[in-house]
Amino acid sequence: AAGVIQSPRHLIKEKRETATLKCYPIPRHDTVYWYQQGPGQDPQFLISFYEKMQSDKGSIPDRFSAQQFSDYHSELNMSSLELGDSALYFCASSLGGTGILHFGNGTRLTVT
Amino acid sequence: GQNIDQPTEMTATEGAIVQINCTYQTSGFNGLFWYQQHAGEAPTFLSYNVLDGLEEKGRFSSFLSRSKGYSYLLLKELQMKDSASYLCAVKRSGAGSYQLTFGKGTKLSVIP
Repeated sequence: AAGVIQSPRHLIKEKRETATLKCYPIPRHDTVYWYQQGPGQDPQFLISFYEKMQSDKGSIPDRFSAQQFSDYHSELNMSSLELGDSALYFCASSLGGTGILHFGNGTRLTVT
Repeated sequence: GQNIDQPTEMTATEGAIVQINCTYQTSGFNGLFWYQQHAGEAPTFLSYNVLDGLEEKGRFSSFLSRSKGYSYLLLKELQMKDSASYLCAVKRSGAGSYQLTFGKGTKLSVIP
């Protein structure tokens, strides 16, 4: 069965650079979520989209933005990167905004 | 806001039964979810409760008491591969209903 696909798997950036993370949800899933997970931490909700509209916003810094496109894929844009942004970034999708989330394998971002 | 509390670590023996507790405080409760996360991997959905009582799913069961703000995940016939972090997560109704808020997770070590 198709799963959530994230790219890239690993990303190394320097401070103050920008990064773009991509997410392709499971086909027919209408809700996409972004989570940030630091080492040894729980996943922190950043933002979600339902049917291409922002549905909820969590602890996403102003330096970050996200959108969902007409083909339902989503991108997380991160600017002015800081060392503290180093984390695993998970995208997840669901059908109808339920709590049953299907997570991608994540993008490991390292900021040096 | 939401407060989710679960033990940081637990150890149990292969073949045994273990119960992982979770207490929560939230406004507008709309479901309690359990996820399993192996180190460096994505969380995977295990079980959820919206109403009080026990939900059984093979070796995993989850219980909910909404009046007590309490849930537990029961794992039977423990296997070595069950060594992982178990995340309790709460979903709200109304504003903020799309986000799933995770607890800090319980790291379970299964020993021979």
